[in-house]
Amino acid sequence: QSVLTQPPSASGTPGQRVTISCSGSGSNIGSNTVNWYQQLPGTAPKLLIYKSNLRPSGVPDRFSGSKSGTSASLAISGLQSEDEADYYCATWDDSLNACVFGGGTSLTVL
Amino acid sequence: QVQLQESGPGLVKPSQTLSLTCTVSGGSISDIDYYWTWIRQPAGKGLEWIARIYTSGRANYNPSLKSRVTISVDRSKNHLSLKLSSVTAADTATYYCARGYTYYDVETSDWFDPWGQGTLVSVSS
Repeated sequence: QSVLTQPPSASGTPGQRVTISCSGSGSNIGSNTVNWYQQLPGTAPKLLIYKSNLRPSGVPDRFSGSKSGTSASLAISGLQSEDEADYYCATWDDSLNACVFGGGTSLTVL
Repeated sequence: QVQLQESGPGLVKPSQTLSLTCTVSGGSISDIDYYWTWIRQPAGKGLEWIARIYTSGRANYNPSLKSRVTISVDRSKNHLSLKLSSVTAADTATYYCARGYTYYDVETSDWFDPWGQGTLVSVSS
């Protein structure tokens, strides 16, 4: 059971906008910023969003992040086939004094 | 461009100690702006954070693994190490190393970038 809760799956058609949620508590998302990682099939995870809403260099602006209270969201607009991947949210948990991940969301582009 | 490469035995027997190395290239493991961390992922499952270590030697551990984990840095070899003792089949996973960064503001921000490609470790007799 993951500390952060994500839907196990999401889907959309090319061009659509999809959002993935990440729910936590006051000791993690409520106190710290959230990061999102993208894991393409058979590859290592890659940083997609950091500090809740910032994109590293090279990440398309189709990807955006937000945070409110103890929840965070990743939005993907203009969905493309190459966006088919697993997405993980993560943050630091002050009570556990540890990094915590969501269980991951498998995104399918129909 | 910092790159990380994990290495270690692909197969470990139950009850033994798993030992992995992460070699850092294109940058110094002694850079005080960063820390170094291990994450693992069982096949078909999610990511689990294991531990992190700063160049000062200060370390944090996943509470569920803390009693079995040793993380260390070898500055002379520019590499990071992980030892996990008393392994069982539940420790079978792909193990990743990554560079971490902490930004302190009203909220604390921690993120991992880049990641190594991962190394698969199986625990079996």
